[in-house]
Parts: sequence; C-alpha cells; structure tokens
Amino acid sequence: NAGVMQNPRHLVRRRGQEARLRCSPMKGHSHVYWYRQLPEEGLKFMVYLQKENIIDESGMPKERFSAEFPKEGPSILRIQQVVRGDSAAYFCASSPDAYGGETQYFGPGTRLLVL
Amino acid sequence: GQQLNQSPQSMFIQEGEDVSMNCTSSSIFNTWLWYKQDPGEGPVLLIALYKAGELTSNGRLTAQFGITRKDSFLNISASIPSDVGIYFCAGLTRDKIIFGKGTRLHILP
Repeated sequence: NAGVMQNPRHLVRRRGQEARLRCSPMKGHSHVYWYRQLPEEGLKFMVYLQKENIIDESGMPKERFSAEFPKEGPSILRIQQVVRGDSAAYFCASSPDAYGGETQYFGPGTRLLVL
Repeated sequence: GQQLNQSPQSMFIQEGEDVSMNCTSSSIFNTWLWYKQDPGEGPVLLIALYKAGELTSNGRLTAQFGITRKDSFLNISASIPSDVGIYFCAGLTRDKIIFGKGTRLHILP
C-alpha cells in the first residue's frame, strides 16, 4: 500500500509565477489536509478537503492560495503570484476519517523556494 | 488562538543518554500526539495519547498525557544515533490539530 505521495519534492519559482503542488492520498483515504512548515517552525494547518469539497480553509491565506480535491486525480494546492515569503515546506496528509488526527499520514513534502 | 509551547527547542546529548521533552498549553486537548521528522521527510507518528493520565510506550519511547489535559511529555531512553531529528507534539481538539515548534535532537559523537 503506497503512502501519501507528493510532487514535486522541490520546486523553484520566481516571484510572480504560479506554484502547483500535488498530493495523492493513501489508497482508501478520502480526507486530505495541507500544512505549511516554515524553517524552525512547526506545521501550520492550511486546509482540509474531502473529494470535491473544501471542509475547512481557516488556515489558508485569503489571497493567492487555493486548494482542490477533484473527484478524480490528486489534490492540488495552488499558489498564484508567489512571493518570497511563500518559501516553505508544504506537507499533505491523508486520513480515512474526518479530522482523524492520529490517523493522518504525512507525505514527504514539497519544498518551495521563491527567488 | 491555541498554542503549544514545546521545550527545549534543541538538545545536544551523548549517545546512550536519556532524553526528555514536553509540551504545554493554556488550552485543553482531547488527544496528544508525538511525531518525529527526519531531514527532508514528513512527520511520522510515534505515539498517540487519548486519556488524561495515560502513559504509553513504544519501544524506548514513553509519553504521558498530563492530568490537566494541557500538557504532555516524551521520554527517549538510551538514545542511539538514529534518534536524531525533530520531535513535534500536537494537540487535537474536536476539529483542530495544533503542532508545537519542535525539539531538535542532536547526538554528539
């Protein structure tokens, strides 16, 4: 059973470009969570999605950030017009249960660097 | 908002030493979780605690859920080189998971 997969593992963008981060949950998991980790910081919750629905986006910046989890395919975290402050590691987690904290399995992360 | 204070921020120890770290909060949590993150990887769950006062072990790791439900600690006995990494605590309420900033464990040669 493959774990949570994220790609790309590393992404370099120039200011103003768009970043698309992909997350494929574990097989059988229909709940996806995105977190951001700044250097020397813990993980900060961004958004919680189920298939075709955003359940909780309270941690998502109001502008330039969006997320989706379509019926088919991976979940996508999209950052438009990136700025240097967006540089961070972005982790996706999936679980079979809603808000299943102890059953959330994390992917390896995408490290975004904005030049 | 809810915050977790995790300490110490970093530790430098000799191989074979025991390690202790903790998390405190002004908020009550229903569940406490402890994760380990290796460089370049995502966090991996080590121990989950569900009841106040609960003491749970996983090999050389032992964690406790504080009686007040506002704190938790993690102990590692007889540390080995592969214990190096960042350890995160996380507290769960009904619908939120809050992470501490991590304890960075370094083992001196």
